[in-house]
Amino acid sequence: GAGVSQSPSNKVTEKGKDVELRCDPISGHTALYWYRQSLGQGLEFLIYFQGNSAPDKSGLPSDRFSAERTGGSVSTLTIQRTQQEDSAVYLCASSIYTGELFFGEGSRLTVL
Amino acid sequence: GQQLNQSPQSMFIQEGEDVSMNCTSSSIFNTWLWYKQDPGEGPVLLIALYKAGELTSNGRLTAQFGITRKDSFLNISASIPSDVGIYFCAGHGSSNTGKLIFGQGTTLQVKP
Repeated sequence: GAGVSQSPSNKVTEKGKDVELRCDPISGHTALYWYRQSLGQGLEFLIYFQGNSAPDKSGLPSDRFSAERTGGSVSTLTIQRTQQEDSAVYLCASSIYTGELFFGEGSRLTVL
Repeated sequence: GQQLNQSPQSMFIQEGEDVSMNCTSSSIFNTWLWYKQDPGEGPVLLIALYKAGELTSNGRLTAQFGITRKDSFLNISASIPSDVGIYFCAGHGSSNTGKLIFGQGTTLQVKP
């Protein structure tokens, strides 16, 4: 596609439920990144993929967070047993190799 | 891990004024990128720098990759109201894991 596409754009869930956030990168981009941005804060690195493998997953906050990428394209970020502190905007970005990142508009997650 | 210190945290200026913000690190970075984020949107790439000492312009924006590879600045000349937003510096560290590290952001407000 023309740009990075993320869905859903907004998600409201109850504490303890699982959520899945999807990212469609720019076609041909081999690297895919997930970041988290809390209200008024900077971007917190979560994980990045080169192809389908994740060389760096050091930013995942806990084992409730996981991500996968299939076919070198779409990625899903899964948060299990959501907590209120998981409320944030989750941003996905893609790049050719690991150069300039192009971001989607984010998925805003609210955990009640 | 590698961190970026961005300053100032916020700026409130008069339309037409020039603006300068910078990022520093205690360790070497291989690339420096500058992004702008508008409310409710993902960050948009403004300028990318790949060589120490490199000075690059994009319209009214000018950015430099510090000669020590530990800092970068962004200048905006003749600011206009649409320059309002949050500006982030970002860089790929020397460990070359592919992870892009972000500064804390500079919030710019422009008074017409």
